[in-house]
Amino acid sequence: DTEVTQTPKHLVMGMTNKKSLKCEQHMGHRAMYWYKQKAKKPPELMFVYSYEKLSINESVPSRFSPECPNSSLLNLHLHALQPEDSALYLCASSQAGENANTGELFFGEGSRLTVL
Amino acid sequence: EDKVVQSPLSLVVHEGDTVTLNCSYEVTNFRSLLWYKQEKKAPTFLFMLTSSGIEKKSGRLSSILDKKELFSILNITATQTGDSAIYLCGGGTSYGKLTFGQGTILTVHP
Repeated sequence: DTEVTQTPKHLVMGMTNKKSLKCEQHMGHRAMYWYKQKAKKPPELMFVYSYEKLSINESVPSRFSPECPNSSLLNLHLHALQPEDSALYLCASSQAGENANTGELFFGEGSRLTVL
Repeated sequence: EDKVVQSPLSLVVHEGDTVTLNCSYEVTNFRSLLWYKQEKKAPTFLFMLTSSGIEKKSGRLSSILDKKELFSILNITATQTGDSAIYLCGGGTSYGKLTFGQGTILTVHP
């Protein structure tokens, strides 16, 4: 079983809805990540948080808003999404710091998002 | 822009065969090369390679990195149907970015 927990596992939302994806880990990792994966494609990095601070934003549209309230939690707030945003959203965590990035990433099982 | 290329994109073999999956990378501030196996959901970790020429092994799987040629291979010997999956290679940087290749879809027939 993965030690990175994502909720919800499935989410269906309309283009005017506001929803959030949640991710939690208790491995003491200080780096957390959001990846987006479309069918038959590899995961694509969206955001990296290191020590609860946003360190990488891969030019993600502002309708995706990440938040890291503490070292164990990572949220992805969704607003005014488009149907092409439908995908599997994967959260991951790892050791952080100069000598640890990029270490082994532990992935959650993902939240499958459908935008109608 | 960082780039990771895997080959072949798909591979069909029979149980007992040995396979070699390839990964080449061009990653600025390269720190590590990671291999993952993805079945239906989350990618699961296989190997992390940071040094050239040192083979890592786990059961029937092994992997090695060549930092001069910017290349890594993943070998699977005596394949089993449970090895059927997508194998992802990722190039990691010193500041936390991991760029994945397209993946190799491996299908092992009984």
